[in-house]
Amino acid sequence: EPEVTQTPSHQVTQMGQEVILRCVPISNHLYFYWYRQILGQKVEFLVSFYNNEISEKSEIFDDQFSVERPDGSNFTLKIRSTKLEDSAMYFCASKLGDRGNSPLHFGNGTRLTVT
Amino acid sequence: QKEVEQDPGPLSVPEGAIVSLNCTYSNSAFQYFMWYRQYSRKGPELLMYTYSSGNKEDGRFTAQVDKSSKYISLFIRDSQPSDSATYLCAMRTNNAGNMLTFGGGTRLMVKP
Repeated sequence: EPEVTQTPSHQVTQMGQEVILRCVPISNHLYFYWYRQILGQKVEFLVSFYNNEISEKSEIFDDQFSVERPDGSNFTLKIRSTKLEDSAMYFCASKLGDRGNSPLHFGNGTRLTVT
Repeated sequence: QKEVEQDPGPLSVPEGAIVSLNCTYSNSAFQYFMWYRQYSRKGPELLMYTYSSGNKEDGRFTAQVDKSSKYISLFIRDSQPSDSATYLCAMRTNNAGNMLTFGGGTRLMVKP
Protein backbone atom coordinates (compact mmCIF):
# COMPACT_ATOMS: atom_id res chain seq x y z
CA GLU A 1 0.00 0.00 0.00
CA PRO A 2 1.37 3.45 -0.88
CA GLU A 3 2.54 5.47 2.09
CA VAL A 4 3.79 8.88 3.07
CA THR A 5 7.51 8.77 3.84
CA GLN A 6 9.42 11.24 5.98
CA THR A 7 13.12 11.85 6.47
CA PRO A 8 15.00 11.98 8.72
CA SER A 9 13.26 10.02 11.44
CA HIS A 10 15.14 12.02 14.07
CA GLN A 11 16.79 15.42 13.74
CA VAL A 12 18.80 17.09 16.46
CA THR A 13 19.69 20.74 16.03
CA GLN A 14 20.91 23.64 18.07
CA MET A 15 18.69 26.56 18.92
CA GLY A 16 18.84 29.21 16.22
CA GLN A 17 19.74 26.81 13.45
CA GLU A 18 17.67 26.20 10.36
CA VAL A 19 16.15 22.79 9.75
CA ILE A 20 14.40 21.27 6.78
CA LEU A 21 12.09 18.33 7.26
CA ARG A 22 11.36 16.29 4.19
CA CYS A 23 8.35 14.34 3.05
CA VAL A 24 7.38 12.32 0.03
CA PRO A 25 3.56 12.25 -0.12
CA ILE A 26 1.61 9.48 -1.81
CA SER A 27 2.26 9.91 -5.51
CA ASN A 28 -1.20 10.77 -6.87
CA HIS A 29 -2.23 12.92 -3.91
CA LEU A 30 -2.84 16.60 -4.43
CA TYR A 31 -3.21 18.04 -0.93
CA PHE A 32 -0.34 18.16 1.52
CA TYR A 33 -0.11 18.99 5.20
CA TRP A 34 2.16 19.38 8.16
CA TYR A 35 1.03 18.63 11.68
CA ARG A 36 3.07 18.51 14.84
CA GLN A 37 2.77 16.77 18.20
CA ILE A 38 4.67 18.05 21.18
CA LEU A 39 5.43 15.23 23.60
CA GLY A 40 2.35 14.43 25.65
CA GLN A 41 0.15 16.89 23.78
CA LYS A 42 -2.38 16.81 20.97
CA VAL A 43 -1.61 16.56 17.30
CA GLU A 44 -1.86 20.13 15.98
CA PHE A 45 -2.42 21.41 12.48
CA LEU A 46 0.31 23.62 11.04
CA VAL A 47 -0.34 24.17 7.36
CA SER A 48 -2.01 22.82 4.25
CA PHE A 49 -0.74 23.16 0.71
CA TYR A 50 -2.44 22.76 -2.63
CA ASN A 51 -1.61 23.80 -6.16
CA ASN A 52 1.76 25.15 -5.07
CA GLU A 53 0.44 27.49 -2.46
CA ILE A 54 -0.58 27.51 1.16
CA SER A 55 -4.33 27.07 1.51
CA GLU A 56 -4.61 27.24 5.30
CA LYS A 57 -2.29 27.79 8.19
CA SER A 58 -2.60 27.87 11.96
CA GLU A 59 -1.36 30.43 14.44
CA ILE A 60 1.62 28.18 15.11
CA PHE A 61 2.79 28.57 11.52
CA ASP A 62 4.47 31.96 11.89
CA ASP A 63 7.16 33.66 9.81
CA GLN A 64 9.75 31.18 11.03
CA PHE A 65 8.04 28.40 9.11
CA SER A 66 7.82 27.86 5.40
CA VAL A 67 6.79 25.03 3.11
CA GLU A 68 7.81 24.16 -0.38
CA ARG A 69 7.19 21.58 -3.02
CA PRO A 70 10.48 21.88 -4.88
CA ASP A 71 9.73 19.12 -7.39
CA GLY A 72 6.98 16.68 -8.27
CA SER A 73 7.55 14.39 -5.33
CA ASN A 74 8.96 16.18 -2.27
CA PHE A 75 7.22 18.43 0.23
CA THR A 76 9.37 20.22 2.80
CA LEU A 77 8.91 22.14 6.01
CA LYS A 78 11.60 24.65 6.90
CA ILE A 79 12.07 26.24 10.28
CA ARG A 80 14.39 29.22 9.88
CA SER A 81 15.64 29.74 13.41
CA THR A 82 14.67 26.91 15.70
CA LYS A 83 13.57 27.48 19.28
CA LEU A 84 13.50 25.02 22.14
CA GLU A 85 9.71 24.93 21.95
CA ASP A 86 9.88 23.68 18.36
CA SER A 87 10.93 20.29 19.73
CA ALA A 88 8.16 17.92 18.65
CA MET A 89 7.17 15.16 16.26
CA TYR A 90 6.38 16.64 12.88
CA PHE A 91 3.99 14.66 10.72
CA CYS A 92 3.51 15.11 7.03
CA ALA A 93 0.17 14.03 5.56
CA SER A 94 -1.46 13.93 2.17
CA LYS A 95 -4.80 13.21 0.62
CA LEU A 96 -6.11 12.57 -2.83
CA GLY A 97 -8.81 15.20 -3.15
CA ASP A 98 -10.80 17.79 -1.30
CA ARG A 99 -13.98 15.78 -1.17
CA GLY A 100 -15.34 15.14 2.28
CA ASN A 101 -14.70 11.42 2.06
CA SER A 102 -11.06 11.74 1.08
CA PRO A 103 -9.11 10.68 4.15
CA LEU A 104 -5.79 12.03 5.35
CA HIS A 105 -2.79 9.68 5.34
CA PHE A 106 0.07 10.41 7.73
CA GLY A 107 3.75 9.59 7.59
CA ASN A 108 5.61 8.23 10.60
CA GLY A 109 7.00 11.60 11.53
CA THR A 110 10.31 13.31 12.15
CA ARG A 111 11.27 13.79 15.77
CA LEU A 112 12.88 17.21 16.04
CA THR A 113 14.97 17.88 19.11
CA VAL A 114 16.21 21.44 19.61
CA THR A 115 18.99 21.79 22.17
CA GLN B 1 -13.84 24.51 27.18
CA LYS B 2 -11.50 22.52 24.99
CA GLU B 3 -12.72 21.95 21.48
CA VAL B 4 -12.27 18.18 21.54
CA GLU B 5 -11.93 16.22 24.76
CA GLN B 6 -10.82 12.64 25.16
CA ASP B 7 -10.06 10.64 28.29
CA PRO B 8 -6.30 9.99 28.18
CA GLY B 9 -6.54 6.63 29.91
CA PRO B 10 -4.72 4.34 30.09
CA LEU B 11 -7.54 1.92 29.53
CA SER B 12 -6.56 -1.65 30.33
CA VAL B 13 -8.74 -4.56 29.21
CA PRO B 14 -8.33 -8.33 28.87
CA GLU B 15 -8.03 -9.87 25.44
CA GLY B 16 -11.44 -10.49 23.89
CA ALA B 17 -13.16 -7.62 25.69
CA ILE B 18 -15.29 -5.01 23.99
CA VAL B 19 -13.62 -1.63 24.16
CA SER B 20 -15.45 1.68 24.10
CA LEU B 21 -13.53 4.87 23.33
CA ASN B 22 -15.18 8.27 23.34
CA CYS B 23 -14.74 11.91 22.49
CA THR B 24 -16.85 14.94 23.21
CA TYR B 25 -16.64 18.18 21.32
CA SER B 26 -17.98 21.68 21.56
CA ASN B 27 -18.06 22.93 17.95
CA SER B 28 -21.44 22.04 16.43
CA ALA B 29 -20.03 22.81 12.98
CA PHE B 30 -17.93 19.63 12.95
CA GLN B 31 -19.27 17.36 10.23
CA TYR B 32 -16.53 14.82 9.55
CA PHE B 33 -15.31 12.49 12.26
CA MET B 34 -12.32 10.21 12.23
CA TRP B 35 -10.60 7.73 14.45
CA TYR B 36 -6.87 7.20 14.13
CA ARG B 37 -4.69 4.58 15.79
CA GLN B 38 -1.18 5.58 16.74
CA TYR B 39 1.47 3.11 17.79
CA SER B 40 4.45 4.36 19.72
CA ARG B 41 6.79 6.46 17.56
CA LYS B 42 4.56 6.06 14.50
CA GLY B 43 2.22 8.35 12.63
CA PRO B 44 -1.56 8.25 13.07
CA GLU B 45 -3.19 5.53 11.00
CA LEU B 46 -6.75 6.08 9.83
CA LEU B 47 -9.22 3.53 11.19
CA MET B 48 -12.67 4.98 10.61
CA TYR B 49 -14.09 7.94 8.73
CA THR B 50 -17.70 9.05 9.14
CA TYR B 51 -19.78 11.95 8.00
CA SER B 52 -22.46 13.51 10.22
CA SER B 53 -24.48 11.32 12.58
CA GLY B 54 -24.92 7.57 12.51
CA ASN B 55 -22.99 4.34 12.73
CA LYS B 56 -20.32 2.81 10.57
CA GLU B 57 -18.92 -0.68 10.92
CA ASP B 58 -15.69 -2.11 9.57
CA GLY B 59 -14.70 -5.55 10.80
CA ARG B 60 -14.21 -5.43 14.56
CA PHE B 61 -14.56 -1.64 14.64
CA THR B 62 -17.75 0.39 14.90
CA ALA B 63 -17.84 4.17 14.91
CA GLN B 64 -20.84 6.07 16.22
CA VAL B 65 -21.57 9.77 15.93
CA ASP B 66 -24.26 11.53 17.94
CA LYS B 67 -24.22 15.13 16.81
CA SER B 68 -27.10 16.12 19.08
CA SER B 69 -24.96 15.19 22.08
CA LYS B 70 -21.66 16.19 20.43
CA TYR B 71 -20.34 12.76 21.27
CA ILE B 72 -18.52 10.18 19.18
CA SER B 73 -17.52 6.63 20.03
CA LEU B 74 -15.34 3.87 18.71
CA PHE B 75 -16.12 0.30 19.71
CA ILE B 76 -13.61 -2.51 19.28
CA ARG B 77 -15.00 -6.03 19.49
CA ASP B 78 -12.90 -9.06 20.42
CA SER B 79 -9.96 -6.85 21.33
CA GLN B 80 -6.48 -8.20 20.64
CA PRO B 81 -3.09 -7.38 22.18
CA SER B 82 -2.18 -5.89 18.79
CA ASP B 83 -4.92 -3.29 19.36
CA SER B 84 -2.79 -1.82 22.15
CA ALA B 85 -2.08 1.72 20.97
CA THR B 86 -3.23 5.29 21.42
CA TYR B 87 -6.53 6.07 19.74
CA LEU B 88 -7.09 9.60 18.51
CA CYS B 89 -10.38 11.10 17.51
CA ALA B 90 -10.25 13.89 14.96
CA MET B 91 -12.86 16.03 13.32
CA ARG B 92 -13.36 18.92 10.97
CA THR B 93 -16.02 21.26 9.70
CA ASN B 94 -17.37 21.24 6.18
CA ASN B 95 -15.53 24.48 5.48
CA ALA B 96 -12.24 23.72 7.18
CA GLY B 97 -11.08 21.95 4.08
CA ASN B 98 -8.00 20.53 5.54
CA MET B 99 -7.64 21.33 9.18
CA LEU B 100 -8.33 18.46 11.54
CA THR B 101 -8.86 19.09 15.22
CA PHE B 102 -7.61 16.19 17.31
CA GLY B 103 -8.44 14.90 20.73
CA GLY B 104 -5.56 14.18 23.05
CA GLY B 105 -5.80 10.42 22.54
CA THR B 106 -6.71 7.47 24.74
CA ARG B 107 -4.03 4.92 25.47
CA LEU B 108 -5.41 1.39 25.26
CA MET B 109 -3.70 -1.70 26.62
CA VAL B 110 -5.12 -5.12 25.79
CA LYS B 111 -3.64 -7.79 28.02
CA PRO B 112 -3.32 -11.39 26.79
